[in-house]
Amino acid sequence: EVQLLESGGGLVQPGGSLRLSCVASGFTFSSFEVNWVRQAPGKGLEWVSSISNSGSTIYYADSVKGRFTISRDNVKNSLYLQMNSLRAEDTAVYYCARRGSWYYFDFWGQGTLVTVSS
Amino acid sequence: QSVLTQPPSVSAAPGQKVTISCSGSGSNIGNNYVSWYQQLPGTAPKLLIYENNKRPSGIPDRFSGSKSGTSATLGITGLQTGDEADYYCGTWDNSLSGGVFGGGTKLTVL
Repeated sequence: EVQLLESGGGLVQPGGSLRLSCVASGFTFSSFEVNWVRQAPGKGLEWVSSISNSGSTIYYADSVKGRFTISRDNVKNSLYLQMNSLRAEDTAVYYCARRGSWYYFDFWGQGTLVTVSS
Repeated sequence: QSVLTQPPSVSAAPGQKVTISCSGSGSNIGNNYVSWYQQLPGTAPKLLIYENNKRPSGIPDRFSGSKSGTSATLGITGLQTGDEADYYCGTWDNSLSGGVFGGGTKLTVL
């Protein structure tokens, strides 16, 4: 059974940093691109970042470029999101999601809540 | 403001049919496959339709997808109260080099 389990969310002050993790199981992690997608309270889905199966190709949404860094460890079956210079507008539930062949997300984690507030 | 445009809400009676539209442009829907997601209250999104019109295993054939030009449509027949959820379309945008979603449509089954 494919599972994605996020962790690392919490309350952080504006300007602070946080590192999210997502542990995958039930599939060959090193064969799939994985993504971060977030959802602000009461709002819609927003794509954040993607990383290819090897880690060689990375994309970011303009809203997080230069502040967030995506990475992965295929030995540990883990995906990470280092978030720096956090802003109130980064407050959201952050989901990790596995990408299928022609750009769709076939499995999602349960999400981890990040709250940026003083 | 989302890159893909969806109606904020739709409603219909149990047993009826509803369609949800998703409008984009040539840089996204016009040149890429569209997927659809269902998000029940308090849960993570779930893949409903991929590659415009394919259903993952376990998704009933009451759910269907289509695409024409720069627009896509999700159809749901035989509505059930359990279908009440938020529905999102998504795709890749070649100009933005990133994923894009619609703003979401809240389905109410009256």
